[in-house]
Formats: sequence, C-alpha cells, structure tokens
Amino acid sequence: KNQVEQSPQSLIILEGKNCTLQCNYTVSPFSNLRWYKQDTGRGPVSLTIMTFSENTKSNGRYTATLDADTKQSSLHITASQLSDSASYICVVSDRGSTLGRLYFGRGTQLTVWP
Amino acid sequence: EADIYQTPRYLVIGTGKKITLECSQTMGHDKMYWYQQDPGMELHLIHYSYGVNSTEKGDLSSESTVSRIRTEHFPLTLESARPSHTSQYLCASSDPHRGAYEQYFGPGTRLTVT
Repeated sequence: KNQVEQSPQSLIILEGKNCTLQCNYTVSPFSNLRWYKQDTGRGPVSLTIMTFSENTKSNGRYTATLDADTKQSSLHITASQLSDSASYICVVSDRGSTLGRLYFGRGTQLTVWP
Repeated sequence: EADIYQTPRYLVIGTGKKITLECSQTMGHDKMYWYQQDPGMELHLIHYSYGVNSTEKGDLSSESTVSRIRTEHFPLTLESARPSHTSQYLCASSDPHRGAYEQYFGPGTRLTVT
C-alpha cells in the first residue's frame, strides 16, 4: 500500500532556532517527492521537488534531502521565523499513471514562538 | 503565487441546499483536481480532469459532481449538502509539460453545513 508518514506530528520551536522534519514513504514506483508549506486556511505552496537522482535541494532557508534507498526525506529549516509557522506536507508521486498521482502525508504542524 | 482561484473562500449553508464551489485557473493547464481535507488530516483526491469534457472520480468516494466545459473552469457541485460534507475543499491544476507534474493549489473553500 502506498503511504507517506511524517514525524513529528507537531513541533514548537523558538524564533531563530533550526528544526528538521521527517518523511518516510512506501510509494512505488517512485517518481518524485515534494515538500509543501500550508498556512492555516490556505492552499499548499510548493517548497521543493526532488526526483530519484537528487539527494538534496535548497530553497532559501529550506533544505530538503532524499534517500531513495531507505525511502526517507527530511526538510531542514534554518534560522526559523514567525512566518514559518504552518503545516509542512510531504507529498510523493508515483510513475505508475499518466495522472501523476500524489500521495500526501498528514503534515507536521510547526509553531514558531517569539 | 499560482494563478488559481477559488470562490467562495468560506461558506456556511443549511442541510439540503445545493451548492457549487468555483475553481478557475489562468495558466492554461489541462489537468485539474479537487481535494478534500479535514483538519490535521491528509488531502484526499475526490475528482480530477485530464481536459475539457473529461472528469473522473478520485480515491475518496464523494457525493459531489464536477464538470469541465472550459479549460480554465472546474466547478464542484453538491446537490444536497449534509453536515458530513463539512470540510475544506482544495482545487489544483498541473502542467504535464513541466515534468514532475507540479501541482498548483488554490486557496481553498472552507465549507460548513449546519
């Protein structure tokens, strides 16, 4: 069964600190993995997309890693800001259909305190 | 920020009413999607479309229906709303020519059925 599991479920950190979010998946055949940021009451916005051959990708203070062998990914946020408070969703796409089917994790709810 | 729009953003309606959630995109994308998301839960695909006059049901069974008469417009209709339909509905579109099937999400419609 294709699944995406994220941890932790929620996380509270102080402004300026770093944090790392985890994602494990069982989706096969694997196509790509994305991290989305979803602010409360808004739609998800893409942060990074990584294919099988990529093992790290950065977008400003966000750095995502991918280990396709162990089927694990992480999202590292450096020097956190209050605006980083949001849900971070790991999404994996398979190669098995022309639809580009996406499998969503439940997200990690990050709260940054001043 | 993607050019994909949803209206209304919030809707509170009584049981038995017919409602239509609007979604439009100005990017010329062929593929469009509707997702349902409950608080703290993953997104579930309820409908998708490959293009004009194409509509398919997604992974999660839904009593809603969709239509795709124009490329840019993908409305979702509930003939008779029930409290179990209370949820957030997210519309998305994708451009397969960009590879990796990047999906762009609208801001969502928060539906409450009383």
